[in-house]
Amino acid sequence: AQRVTQPEKLLSVFKGAPVELKCNYSYSGSPELFWYVQYSRQRLQLLLRHISRESIKGFTADLNKGETSFHLKKPFAQEEDSAMYYCALTGGYQKVTFGTGTKLQVIP
Amino acid sequence: DTGVSQNPRHKITKRGQNVTFRCDPISEHNRLYWYRQTLGQGPEFLTYFQNEAQLEKSRLLSDRFSAERPKGSFSTLEIQRTEQGDSAMYLCASSSGGGGAFFGQGTRLTVV
Repeated sequence: AQRVTQPEKLLSVFKGAPVELKCNYSYSGSPELFWYVQYSRQRLQLLLRHISRESIKGFTADLNKGETSFHLKKPFAQEEDSAMYYCALTGGYQKVTFGTGTKLQVIP
Repeated sequence: DTGVSQNPRHKITKRGQNVTFRCDPISEHNRLYWYRQTLGQGPEFLTYFQNEAQLEKSRLLSDRFSAERPKGSFSTLEIQRTEQGDSAMYLCASSSGGGGAFFGQGTRLTVV
């Protein structure tokens, strides 16, 4: 079975402060990990994926297989980062499993 | 718009009625997913197609739910004898491989 855990429902940070959204996963094989973001009244959209090791909108995420984690980080939060963030895992048959999401609130 | 398209955007139905939703994926994507999302929850996997083959169906999906992708292009999700607990946002996504899934705007179902 594949499972994704996001322990925080809500994360509030001040503008300019560092952000870390936690994600832990459970999967017996080699997973692909993703972060999706949903801004207010917009569709769910892909933010970044671990295999490309990219930085999107200042966000990065490193896959730690030892800790089975894929935390999302940004050094300086901006107001436009306020959104719902979902960690997701693709395992067998390319099935995508999502966490319950973390709402990031950036306080001006 | 070349993204994933879902219709209708909103559906209000009386309990016991049947409803059908449509999803048009990105044209070159061979994988298509249906998810359900309720308030405060992440998307819950319902079912998944690779081309026209339905490869997996969640245990969340009762016999009242059926999905098809007859020609490996668009897909339909039908709910028979709707119940109030079926009220949710139904999301469709498509992908072509390991690049992540692209989502539609969703169909919001309200069962009254």
